[in-house]
Parts: sequence; structure tokens; C-alpha cells
Amino acid sequence: DSGVTQTPKHLITATGQRVTLRCSPRSGDLSVYWYQQSLDQGLQFLIQYYNGEERAKGNILERFSAQQFPDLHSELNLSSLELGDSALYFCASATSKSSGNTIYFGEGSWLTVV
Amino acid sequence: GENVEQHPSTLSVQEGDSAVIKCTYSDSASNYFPWYKQELGKGPQLIIDIRSNVGEKKDQRIAVTLNKTAKHFSLHITETQPEDSAVYFCAATDARQLTFGSGTQLTVLP
Repeated sequence: DSGVTQTPKHLITATGQRVTLRCSPRSGDLSVYWYQQSLDQGLQFLIQYYNGEERAKGNILERFSAQQFPDLHSELNLSSLELGDSALYFCASATSKSSGNTIYFGEGSWLTVV
Repeated sequence: GENVEQHPSTLSVQEGDSAVIKCTYSDSASNYFPWYKQELGKGPQLIIDIRSNVGEKKDQRIAVTLNKTAKHFSLHITETQPEDSAVYFCAATDARQLTFGSGTQLTVLP
């Protein structure tokens, strides 16, 4: 158990809908990362927050947004969902803002868009 | 940005044999290279990492080597066991963004 908690574990929704994925980082970690893992792709970096502020942005679509709250939990919002958004979404956390230190992954949220 | 290539995509070895997975990176500024193991239905878990000021690091049956000049690094697993079967990812970062390789499905045959 990495200490990173993600909910929900599984989610099935229809095209055009909006979902919110939630992440609680490890105790004491200020950085939260979001990654997308599709069947035919590896781990794609979406976005990083550090202590409530956006720190780095990767290949995140405009339909997706994220935020980190004062209690350090984070939410990833996916809107106008398309079939291609079906994937495993991982949250990860770390103590520092630098990605040059160990980051710990949660178990992921499986999203299926039908 | 950084680009990480990983080979092979699949690897099957007999139990007890060694397994080697290789990665190359493009950004000479990258200085931290972790390796993650992902078991079915679980999140990636760090198994070993190496920094650019070190050429080799070992932890029991697992070792990682880094060649900064050639910009490649490798994971070596000796005396493989069935529980080593998983997907392995290499990654590289210059401390701003961690970029992953495409993964290697390792199968250890009993």
C-alpha cells in the first residue's frame, strides 16, 4: 500500500458526460501528479500540483482540469467524455515539488466511457 | 521535451535466468532515472532508481546501470522468479517532469 488513495476504483459513464476523480496523497506529501494509462500507451503525464498551485502541465486536454485543495487532496475533472478517454487514471504524490525524487502511485481509477 | 524509448516490449525468460531491459533518453539534462514495476490491476511501484552521478546501483537481485555519454540505462534482474512477472517501466526526469518509457511485459516461465 503506497498510502495514496484514489476514488472511485471503477467508473462507467456515457459519452458527453462529466466525471470527477479524487485523490488523497500520502500524509505529508505536498505534490500531486495525475497520469493517464491507456491500453496502447504507457503512462502519460497530465498535470502536477504542489501545495495548491499548478507546477507542471503535460498532455492534458482542454476538456480536462484539475485542482488541489487546501487539505492537499486533488480532483481531476473530465468533461465531454469521448470513447477514447477510457483509460486508467493514476494519481501519485511526493514530498517535494521536484520530480527528481520518489513519487508514489495510487491504485488508479478505471474509467470506461460507453 | 524528454523522450524515453524502452526495449523490448515483451520479454520471456525461464525461472532462474536473468532479464535485461534497456532504455534510452534524449534530454542530456535528465539526472534521475527510476524504474517501476506494475502488477496487474495495481499502480506502478518504485523498485530501484539511479542518479546521474552514479554509474551502477544494486539492490539484491536487481541492478541498474547508467551510461550518461550514450544516454541509456538498463535494468538487470538476476535469478528471476515467477513473482517478477509484471510490466516494468523506466523513466527519466530533469526534475520538472517525469517521462516514462512504453513498458516491458516480463514473463518468468516456471
